Amino acid sequence: EAQVTQNPRYLITVTGKKLTVTCSQNMNHEYMSWYRQDPGLGLRQIYYSMNVEVTDKGDVPEGYKVSRKEKRNFPLILESPSPNQTSLYFCASSDRGRYEQYFGPGTRLTVT
Amino acid sequence: QQQVKQSPQSLIVQKGGISIINCAYENTAFDYFPWYQQFPGKGPALLIAIRPDVSEKKEGRFTISFNKSAKQFSLHIMDSQPGDSATYFCAAIGATNKLIFGTGTLLAVQP
Repeated sequence: EAQVTQNPRYLITVTGKKLTVTCSQNMNHEYMSWYRQDPGLGLRQIYYSMNVEVTDKGDVPEGYKVSRKEKRNFPLILESPSPNQTSLYFCASSDRGRYEQYFGPGTRLTVT
Repeated sequence: QQQVKQSPQSLIVQKGGISIINCAYENTAFDYFPWYQQFPGKGPALLIAIRPDVSEKKEGRFTISFNKSAKQFSLHIMDSQPGDSATYFCAAIGATNKLIFGTGTLLAVQP
């Protein structure tokens, strides 16, 4: 089954404790992206990657890091999480040149 | 800056009624306008999409109307059903593959 998977689905952590949210897709897509969803703000792009070893900032990159060492994986790293990073996070992927993006099930992060 | 503006924020419709959600965009470089449907606990999923060279696209009970000169587009859900209750996002995308989302509309269809 073609899908985007994220782990963990739920995470509660404390301020300053480094964490990684994993994202993996099995569709051989070149383009991958991370979004955060907040009430009243819709989905906002954090980082995206056009291919392996190619990443760039989205609209709200502060406090986040990403890496793309393999085509299928695109982890999101929070080196020192803060309460304002409490949010619902989505990973998405798409084929190069195709606009349809496939979203993962989401990771709900709470930083206390 | 909000490049895609969406309204209303929430909508209550009776079963069998028509749900209408409106969006407006600013960047004329956008060339693909999708609508995503999101159920609680799930990620957004593509519902229907349109390119600016057509004024309307219909798939079943879902229709997108597109007005290029006004830079507006809307989603119409005919014969709305309780199973349509979800959050709907309009979006726009251009050659950069970057999706710009609206702020979302929470639709509740009452039986």
